[in-house]
Amino acid sequence: GNSVTQMEGPVTLSEEAFLTINCTYTATGYPSLFWYVQYPGEGLQLLLKATKADDKGSNKGFEATYRKETTSFHLEKGSVQVSDSAVYFCALSGAGSTEKLVFGKGTKLTVNP
Amino acid sequence: DAGVIQSPRHEVTEMGQEVTLRCKPISGHNSLFWYRQTMMRGLELLIYFNNNVPIDDSGMPEDRFSAKMPNASFSTLKIQPSEPRDSAVYFCASSWGQGMSNQPQHFGDGTRLSIL
Repeated sequence: GNSVTQMEGPVTLSEEAFLTINCTYTATGYPSLFWYVQYPGEGLQLLLKATKADDKGSNKGFEATYRKETTSFHLEKGSVQVSDSAVYFCALSGAGSTEKLVFGKGTKLTVNP
Repeated sequence: DAGVIQSPRHEVTEMGQEVTLRCKPISGHNSLFWYRQTMMRGLELLIYFNNNVPIDDSGMPEDRFSAKMPNASFSTLKIQPSEPRDSAVYFCASSWGQGMSNQPQHFGDGTRLSIL
């Protein structure tokens, strides 16, 4: 079946450090890929998405590139801020199950000043 | 525009009681999803509707759980009778979908449920 594997957390960084959160997936067909972010006490918010191979999604300084050859969608940001502290979820949809999202377990990021 | 609205935000009740969670999706969205989030199991899809019709309820844990969507602007998730292991944060999400997998889901702020 479809699945998403993302790196175990928690991740702790200092402000202005470089961030990478790894995400790999297993799916049949051509899924769409998403990163969602969850701030404390809130629901998930879409951070970025990519719908086909080699697409790059970007938002708020975050980027992720849809790599079909490595079945990956790693999240990166060049310089993190304290306000980026949150839980990040990688997800896929559309690989044979239309709108249903399959989520990774989430990675908690803490950025210290 | 208002986002997805869930009520109540917090619910504390005793084991055996009926619990009803409510969701108002974003106007114009035609797909609605109920999720459960726990530390142990992460985020689980319980059920989703398209055009008010349940499409996939394979994630509903057992017969104690039921969900309805009587119209395009309202859905409920009921647990009867409730058990302590049902304690979790329950999220509702909506999207515009016609079998299009690239449409993002918009989440409410969740209901934090505690069963004593």
